[in-house]
Amino acid sequence: GAVVSQHPSRVICKSGTSVKIECRSLDFQATTMFWYRQFPKKSLMLMATSNEGSKATYEQGVEKDKFLINHASLTLSTLTVTSAHPEDSSFYICSARVGLAGVYKNEQFFGPGTRLTVL
Amino acid sequence: KNEVEQSPQNLTAQEGEFITINCSYSVGISALHWLQQHPGGGIVSLFMLSSGKKKHGRLIATINIQEKHSSLHITASHPRDSAVYICGTGGGADGLTFGKGTHLIIQP
Repeated sequence: GAVVSQHPSRVICKSGTSVKIECRSLDFQATTMFWYRQFPKKSLMLMATSNEGSKATYEQGVEKDKFLINHASLTLSTLTVTSAHPEDSSFYICSARVGLAGVYKNEQFFGPGTRLTVL
Repeated sequence: KNEVEQSPQNLTAQEGEFITINCSYSVGISALHWLQQHPGGGIVSLFMLSSGKKKHGRLIATINIQEKHSSLHITASHPRDSAVYICGTGGGADGLTFGKGTHLIIQP
């Protein structure tokens, strides 16, 4: 149990286009989802925290108008990279936090990641 | 702010060797995660620890809360274990802070 999926796993797009990445908790309800970004040869960096039905909280230095996060349900959060540029090319990973009840209470589970290449 | 340090940064070993990767952090945490990232990028979650020790197959993870330190061990290492191993701390309502990862290469 406790599986998180991301779609797509890889995407290549032209500069100026927008790209949407989906993060789904397949067998549990996620009260909170987190989005991370990994630059080449760097550690994973938290971009934003997303709670269902409310606005995402962005980390310092992350442009909220550039990286739009929607958490419309307890099983789905989306990250849209708007007007993508080559410097947005990166590996994006989501995680989903289980609620405060059940076997996996308060644990975080990670999606496999999405590799974005902007040409 | 939590600082997470991993050591070694790079490790090359022969097949069959016992592998240890270390993770130290600076502030008290609710949980520590070990992730595996293969070439090509896909992330696999290995362990989440809040105390003690966990074992899954040839992988063992331990954590010492008082010393703010965790280790990931691989017994009877195999070339398919070659990957980047990433330690992340935090949890609960907060996102995680990650180390830079340990690049492990197991040679046949």
